[in-house]
Amino acid sequence: GAVVSQHPSRVICKSGTSVKIECRSLDFQATTMFWYRQFPKQSLMLMATSNEGSKATYEQGVEKDKFLINHASLTLSTLTVTSAHPEDSSFYICSARDTAGLNYGYTFGSGTRLTVV
Amino acid sequence: QKEVEQNSGPLSVPEGAIASLNCTYSDRGSQSFFWYRQYSGKSPELIMSIYSNGDKEDGRFTAQLNKASQYVSLLIRDSQPSDSATYLCAGGAILTGGGNKLTFGTGTQLKVEL
Repeated sequence: GAVVSQHPSRVICKSGTSVKIECRSLDFQATTMFWYRQFPKQSLMLMATSNEGSKATYEQGVEKDKFLINHASLTLSTLTVTSAHPEDSSFYICSARDTAGLNYGYTFGSGTRLTVV
Repeated sequence: QKEVEQNSGPLSVPEGAIASLNCTYSDRGSQSFFWYRQYSGKSPELIMSIYSNGDKEDGRFTAQLNKASQYVSLLIRDSQPSDSATYLCAGGAILTGGGNKLTFGTGTQLKVEL
C-alpha cells in the first residue's frame, strides 16, 4: 500500500531558529502533497498544498514566508518553519495520495511534533 | 461556517456493541468521503472511503453515504477497546487526481468500555 514517510518525528528547537520537516512518498509518486497542523484536541488544519515543480498554495492565514515549502521531486516535499516561536509548537503532518494504486484515500505521514522553547 | 461537522463526543459504547459515528457536510460538490482513525499523539490512518450512495462494508466497518441528506456515517460492529480513538470524517470535491484537498471534521472521540 501507499506509504508516506515523515522525518523527524519529534524536534525541539530554540526560539528564532528554523526547522525542516521532510515528507517522502516511498512507493509511489506524488505530484501533490498536503501539509497540516494540529493543535492539541483540535482537528487537522490544512496549511498548504505542495505542488511538484511549482509554488505551493497556502491556505488563508498561513504565512508563506514563515512556512517555506519545497517540492523538488515527485517523492519529496519539505516544510521549513523559519524563525520558530513557541506558538508554532504543534503537530505537523503531511499527506499524499497514490492515484495509481487501488487505495483512493490520502495517506498520512507519521507526523512531526515540534516544540519551540 | 464549518464544511464538515461531527459531534465531538465522547461516544461511549460497551465492548461488543455497535458504535455509530455521524458526519454532515455542506459542500454539495464533495464527491468522495473518508473516515480516518486517529489515536492520541499519532497521525490519522484511513479506515474507509466511500463515493456512492448506500453502504460499503469492510470487515467490522460499514460506511454509509446519503448525498441527498449530505450525511455520512461509520458503523463499527463488535466494538473493541482497541477501537477507542478519535474518528475523523473528511470530504473532497473530486475523486480523480491527487491534488484535491480534503476538508476534515473536528472528529468524534469514541470510547469502548470493558
